Amino acid sequence: EAQVTQNPRYLITVTGKKLTVTCSQNMNHEYMSWYRQDPGLGLRQIYYSMNVEVTDKGDVPEGYKVSRKEKRNFPLILESPSPNQTSLYFCASSLSVPTGTDNSPLHFGNGTRLTVT
Amino acid sequence: LAKTTQPISMDSYEGQEVNITCSHNNIATNDYITWYQQFPSQGPRFIIQGYKTKVTNEVASLFIPADRKSSTLSLPRVSLSDTAVYYCLVGDSNYQLIWGAGTKLIIKP
Repeated sequence: EAQVTQNPRYLITVTGKKLTVTCSQNMNHEYMSWYRQDPGLGLRQIYYSMNVEVTDKGDVPEGYKVSRKEKRNFPLILESPSPNQTSLYFCASSLSVPTGTDNSPLHFGNGTRLTVT
Repeated sequence: LAKTTQPISMDSYEGQEVNITCSHNNIATNDYITWYQQFPSQGPRFIIQGYKTKVTNEVASLFIPADRKSSTLSLPRVSLSDTAVYYCLVGDSNYQLIWGAGTKLIIKP
């Protein structure tokens, strides 16, 4: 089944303790991205990647890192989490860039609910 | 700066047609308009995408006027299971993604 898999679904941690949220897609998609979703603020892009070893900042990259060493995986790393990073996180992928003339629809994972105390 | 505007919420009844409009005043000339549906505790799911005029699939229709400054998602004969948040998505002239804030649609029996 074609899908985007995020792990874990729920995570509670403490301030400053490094964590990684994994994301994997099995559709051979070139484009992958991370979003956070907060009440009243909608979906905000954190980072995106157009291909292996190519990553770019989105709208809210501060406090996050990503890597794209393989096409299928795009982990989100919080080196020193803070309470303002408590949020619902979504990973998404698409065949190519989801805008412009290519405009491939995004496929989303089911989310990771992170709580930082 | 590109911006999208959608109604925050809408109510309707089972069996009715629902139309949700998104305004996007600075969409890139070669970009598509895409709509997503999101249920609680799930990621958004692609519904429909179009460039101009009208597009229809098994789930919805999308109407786009000639100036492309807005688009209307049309859900025919809604049911309770269509209760969800609906987002429009466009790209701007810099190929950045511009998400609408989402429209919470509540369908009543």
